[in-house]
Amino acid sequence: GNSVTQMEGPVTLSEEAFLTINCTYTATGYPSLFWYVQYPGEGLQLLLKATKADDKGSNKGFEATYRKETTSFHLEKGSVQVSDSAVYFCALSGPPGGGNKLTFGTGTQLKVEL
Amino acid sequence: EAGVVQSPRYKIIEKKQPVAFWCNPISGHNTLYWYLQNLGQGPELLIRYENEEAVDDSQLPKDRFSAERLKGVDSTLKIQPAELGDSAVYLCASSLLGKEDNEQFFGPGTRLTVL
Repeated sequence: GNSVTQMEGPVTLSEEAFLTINCTYTATGYPSLFWYVQYPGEGLQLLLKATKADDKGSNKGFEATYRKETTSFHLEKGSVQVSDSAVYFCALSGPPGGGNKLTFGTGTQLKVEL
Repeated sequence: EAGVVQSPRYKIIEKKQPVAFWCNPISGHNTLYWYLQNLGQGPELLIRYENEEAVDDSQLPKDRFSAERLKGVDSTLKIQPAELGDSAVYLCASSLLGKEDNEQFFGPGTRLTVL
């Protein structure tokens, strides 16, 4: 079945540091890939997505590239801010024809300090 | 535009008691999802509706969990009786269509504590 593996947190960075959160997946076919963010006390929000191999999703300075050869979708940001502190979830949709079922990773907590 | 609304936000009950959660999706969204999120884990799908029809309930523990979506809008998720292991956050999400790359919009969740 489908599965998503994320690096464990918490990840603690200083403001303006470079961020990478690793995500790899196992799936049937070619799923769409997503990063969701969950701020304290709020629901999950879609951060970015990519629907096919080599696509790059980007939003709010965050980027992730759909790498089929390494089955990865790593999240990156060049300069994090305190306001980026949240839990980040990598997810994929599928299997094909099975509707929009999302399979999530366990989440990575990011803490950004001044 | 209002997002996905869930109530209550928090619920504390004793084991063996019944509990119900309510979800109002974004207006016009025909697909509704209920997810279970255990502490430190990602959400896991419990049930998916397209309009009034439950099209995927394979992960719903049907011995104690039930759900309904009357008129294809609001939805209720019920647990009866609740067990200690049901303590978790219950998330509702909706999307315009059940297509694989359509964005799902999530509510804030209901945090259930079973004592």
